[in-house]
Amino acid sequence: AQTVTQSQPEMSVQEAETVTLSCTYDTSESDYYLFWYKQPPSRQMILVIRQEAYKQQNATENRFSVNFQKAAKSFSLKISDSQLGDAAMYFCAANNAGNMLTFGGGTRLMVKP
Amino acid sequence: DTGVSQNPRHKITKRGQNVTFRCDPISEHNRLYWYRQTLGQGPEFLTYFQNEAQLEKSRLLSDRFSAERPKGSFSTLEIQRTEQGDSAMYLCASSFRTGGPGELFFGEGSRLTVL
Repeated sequence: AQTVTQSQPEMSVQEAETVTLSCTYDTSESDYYLFWYKQPPSRQMILVIRQEAYKQQNATENRFSVNFQKAAKSFSLKISDSQLGDAAMYFCAANNAGNMLTFGGGTRLMVKP
Repeated sequence: DTGVSQNPRHKITKRGQNVTFRCDPISEHNRLYWYRQTLGQGPEFLTYFQNEAQLEKSRLLSDRFSAERPKGSFSTLEIQRTEQGDSAMYLCASSFRTGGPGELFFGEGSRLTVL
């Protein structure tokens, strides 16, 4: 069984600044994948970034990057140069070699102009 | 629009009634998932299909819930004898299996309110 925990229910960031969203997970699997999904208000969830656990290099997608600490089972998301369109719920998720995504409880990100 | 489509988007029903939701995945995707999301929470896995075969079911999926994916195309999720605790957003997602867990493409969800 997997568990994913997001300890920050809400975060706020000034436009153009950097913010980090935290996520910890627990799994007994040796092969797994980690994801950050974004859910804008009344819109569908979209994938932000993905990390394969066997890769040591942290994934990066434009302004989004992760800090993957495998031993600590930590997977944080850094958003650089925050934009108003980044305001959304962000969900951390884990998936083992099977097919079930386990999501955390989410962090609501507010971006102040 | 070639994304995942869910219908109806909103459903209000009285306790004890049956409801059915439909999901049309992205056409070339062979995997289809149903999740349930309550307000302020992350989505919870309900069930998963590969083509027409239902391969996994969560313990959350009680006997009142049934899902089908005839011919491996669209899927339906039926809830019988609805209860107020069934009120939630029901999300459908699809993916195409590659070398590892692929990206899930989500629909906008079907919101159920049970009075």
